[in-house]
Amino acid sequence: DAGVTQSPTHLIKTRGQQVTLRCSPKSGHDTVSWYQQALGQGPQFIFQYYEEEERQRGNFPDRFSGHQFPNYSSELNVNALLLGDSALYLCASSWGGRQGYEQYFGPGTRLTVT
Amino acid sequence: AQRVTQPEKLLSVFKGAPVELKCNYSYSGSPELFWYVQYSRQRLQLLLRHISRESIKGFTADLNKGETSFHLKKPFAQEEDSAMYYCALSENSGGSNYKLTFGKGTLLTVNP
Repeated sequence: DAGVTQSPTHLIKTRGQQVTLRCSPKSGHDTVSWYQQALGQGPQFIFQYYEEEERQRGNFPDRFSGHQFPNYSSELNVNALLLGDSALYLCASSWGGRQGYEQYFGPGTRLTVT
Repeated sequence: AQRVTQPEKLLSVFKGAPVELKCNYSYSGSPELFWYVQYSRQRLQLLLRHISRESIKGFTADLNKGETSFHLKKPFAQEEDSAMYYCALSENSGGSNYKLTFGKGTLLTVNP
């Protein structure tokens, strides 16, 4: 099991463009959470998907949207990119059926907006 | 709103010395607390959670609800403990599957 995988590893976009990041959860996991980690900061929760629906959302604008597919993989979309969106985007997966299960993190996608 | 504070951005100790990484939180309910660690060139991984009350790699952490703290301790630091450590909080209603609120992290360096 490769664990949580994310693609691409790095991405450079221009201000105003749109970007899609992808995440495949660890085998057996059905819940995917997305976090944004700016330089020198801890990860900040964006939203979580369970059973193909957004279950929780952090304090991020509607420019940030997501999707979960029947195979539990997920996409994070960001529209109208701003310079401040430059960050490491982390995906974490877990099993949504019970409490107390840890979130496993992927390696992240480094997004640079110029 | 919940908040996690890690007052030390950097912490440097010598091998064999005790180490304590501080974490304070604010949350109106009964949270679940975690310590995550990120070693160089590796992904973020769970080190320990307060409900398990277990020791991992010699590290322990006790939840002090009176002081709203969850400090991470190890009696004798090793060079391989050098890493970035994040304290995190989850709303108790959902356990660890719900959103995590992270502190800004403490970079621990253990010198030989």
